[in-house]
Amino acid sequence: DGGITQSPKYLFRKEGQNVTLSCEQNLNHDAMYWYRQDPGQGLRLIYYSQIVNDFQKGDIAEGYSVSREKKESFPLTVTSAQKNPTAFYLCASSMVGVSYNEQFFGPGTRLTVL
Amino acid sequence: GQQLNQSPQSMFIQEGEDVSMNCTSSSIFNTWLWYKQDPGEGPVLLIALYKAGELTSNGRLTAQFGITRKDSFLNISASIPSDVGIYFCAGPRDTSGTYKYIFGTGTRLKVLA
Repeated sequence: DGGITQSPKYLFRKEGQNVTLSCEQNLNHDAMYWYRQDPGQGLRLIYYSQIVNDFQKGDIAEGYSVSREKKESFPLTVTSAQKNPTAFYLCASSMVGVSYNEQFFGPGTRLTVL
Repeated sequence: GQQLNQSPQSMFIQEGEDVSMNCTSSSIFNTWLWYKQDPGEGPVLLIALYKAGELTSNGRLTAQFGITRKDSFLNISASIPSDVGIYFCAGPRDTSGTYKYIFGTGTRLKVLA
């Protein structure tokens, strides 16, 4: 089945540690996105990538880094510089260059910093 | 910057009742997306709208693209307990082709059996 997978589902980290969240898609989508969701709030864009080896900062990129070495994969690293990393992280993907470019989401990773 | 306002923020309804929610933008959109998110899961796309005035249904769900292009509406008919969740609207940030979307803060729906 085509879709987006994120792993792990739950992640615990000690303060001061970097952690990498995985996102893989087999939808053959060119664009991929990372969002952060806090309780009672909407989705905020962290980073996005429209093509392999290229990515752009979103609204809240500070303390995060990404890479896009393969079309299918867009891992997100939460660095120790992120002041308040505990949140629900969502990865999404979409087509590019077409009229209909709905974004599809993965199941999310809940990160808790201890 | 662009903002999306969803209302109501939350609602409690009885099973079998119809539900209406809306989303308004500070600027014109050419696309509206409606998503549902279950607790602890990623949002699932319900309906996509691409034309002003468009009315689209998906089972018991019906969404409309407002004629002013600054609003959209989602209706759920004959609600059932599994309709509980958070409903988000989304629209494109700009027309530059970057495909970034802005999301509303959500309408939290609770259905009382």
